[in-house]
Amino acid sequence: AQSVTQPDIHITVSEGASLELRCNYSYGATPYLFWYVQSPGQGLQLLLKYFSGDTLVQGIKGFEAEFKRSQSSFNLRKPSVHWSDAAEYFCAVGGLIQGAQKLVFGQGTRLTINP
Amino acid sequence: ETGVTQTPRHLVMGMTNKKSLKCEQHLGHNAMYWYKQSAKKPLELMFVYSLEERVENNSVPSRFSPECPNSSHLFLHLHTLQPEDSALYLCASSQEGMGQPQHFGDGTRLSIL
Repeated sequence: AQSVTQPDIHITVSEGASLELRCNYSYGATPYLFWYVQSPGQGLQLLLKYFSGDTLVQGIKGFEAEFKRSQSSFNLRKPSVHWSDAAEYFCAVGGLIQGAQKLVFGQGTRLTINP
Repeated sequence: ETGVTQTPRHLVMGMTNKKSLKCEQHLGHNAMYWYKQSAKKPLELMFVYSLEERVENNSVPSRFSPECPNSSHLFLHLHTLQPEDSALYLCASSQEGMGQPQHFGDGTRLSIL
């Protein structure tokens, strides 16, 4: 069965510092991996996705993620965070059910930015 | 309007009430989803519709009843809910096919008295 683990429930970084959010997945085949961000009172917004090819994926808002098959990881990074990056971040692995995409989400990592 | 729109944004109801949540997508997608988001729990997939046909019912209690009259609209009918059903209910849509990203609405915050 598919599963996703985000080991860090809450992370605090200073504005301008670098960021890495961890994600480990379990999936029987080549995974389809996603990172979403959720600001308070809003739905989830797609940051980036990985299907195949280059293992370093660029996303919106200056985020990137690296797929490492040997470690079953898909960590999200940003070289310099901004106060507006404070939000909840979700990693997800995708599978198919009768044509529709089924996503399994991790528990999320809440990011706080110190000024 | 663009994207995925959910109404109402907030709903307070008693345990014996009947209400419905509405979701509408303007993205031309053909798959729609209901999720439940509770505090300190991962997002739980409740229902999946592909081409207006329900393809997944993730062991959801019968007090939740989905309806998908066409590919742009999705409803979640609620009746005789329990306090533990208080949560944020998120709707999403996508194109069919592997790797298609889901686009989410802003959710309905449901509180059961």
